[in-house]
Amino acid sequence: EAGVAQSPRYKIIEKRQSVAFWCNPISGHATLYWYQQILGQGPKLLIQFQNNGVVDDSQLPKDRFSAERLKGVDSTLKIQPAKLEDSAVYLCASSPSGSEQYFGPGTRLTVT
Amino acid sequence: AQKITQTQPGMFVQEKEAVTLDCTYDTSDQSYGLFWYKQPSSGEMIFLIYQGSYDEQNATEGRYSLNFQKARKSANLVISASQLGDSAMYFCAMRELTGNQFYFGTGTSLTVIP
Repeated sequence: EAGVAQSPRYKIIEKRQSVAFWCNPISGHATLYWYQQILGQGPKLLIQFQNNGVVDDSQLPKDRFSAERLKGVDSTLKIQPAKLEDSAVYLCASSPSGSEQYFGPGTRLTVT
Repeated sequence: AQKITQTQPGMFVQEKEAVTLDCTYDTSDQSYGLFWYKQPSSGEMIFLIYQGSYDEQNATEGRYSLNFQKARKSANLVISASQLGDSAMYFCAMRELTGNQFYFGTGTSLTVIP
C-alpha cells in the first residue's frame, strides 16, 4: 500500500513570495490533515478535511494560508505571502476513520 | 492549559534496557484517544501505538506498551529492549472526539547508547 505522498520535499523562498505544497493521501482515506511543525516543537494542526469539506481550520492563519481538497482526494496548501516565521516542516497526514494518522515525509520550507 | 505535556526534553537509555517516556494530558471529554508517534531524523512521523479512553487494558504493540492511568491522566510509553534504531523524537498525541481535534506534545528526544 502506497503511503502519503508530499511534494516538494524542500523549498526555499524569499519573504513575501508565494508557495504551494501538494499532498496525496493513502487511497480511501477520508480524513486529511495539514500540520505545521516548527523546529523543536510538536506538530500544530492547521486544517482538517473530511472528504472535501473542512472540519477544523481554527488554527489556520487565513490572511495568508489557504488549503483545498478538491474531489476529496489530493490537497494543496498555499502560503501567500510568506513570512520568515513560516519556516517549518509542513506535514500532511491521512486517516481512514479519524483514528490513527499516517504521515507523509513532509515539506521543509525555508523563508529567507 | 496544555492539552499534552511531555516533561522530558531528552532521555538516554542503554541498549537492551527498557525506557519510559512520560505523557500527561488534559481533557474534559469522556471519549478520547491517545497516540504515540516516533519521528526519526528523516522527519517522517511513524505511528506506534493507540489507546482508547474506554479501553480497560493497556495497549501493546511488539516492544511498545502504553501505561494508561486514566485517573492520573497519564499515558506513558514503555519501550522494552531498546535498540539503536529507537533513537528518535517521540511525540504523545490526543484526539478529542468532541470537535475531533488532535493535539501533540512537544516531544521527547530519546538516545540509545550502545
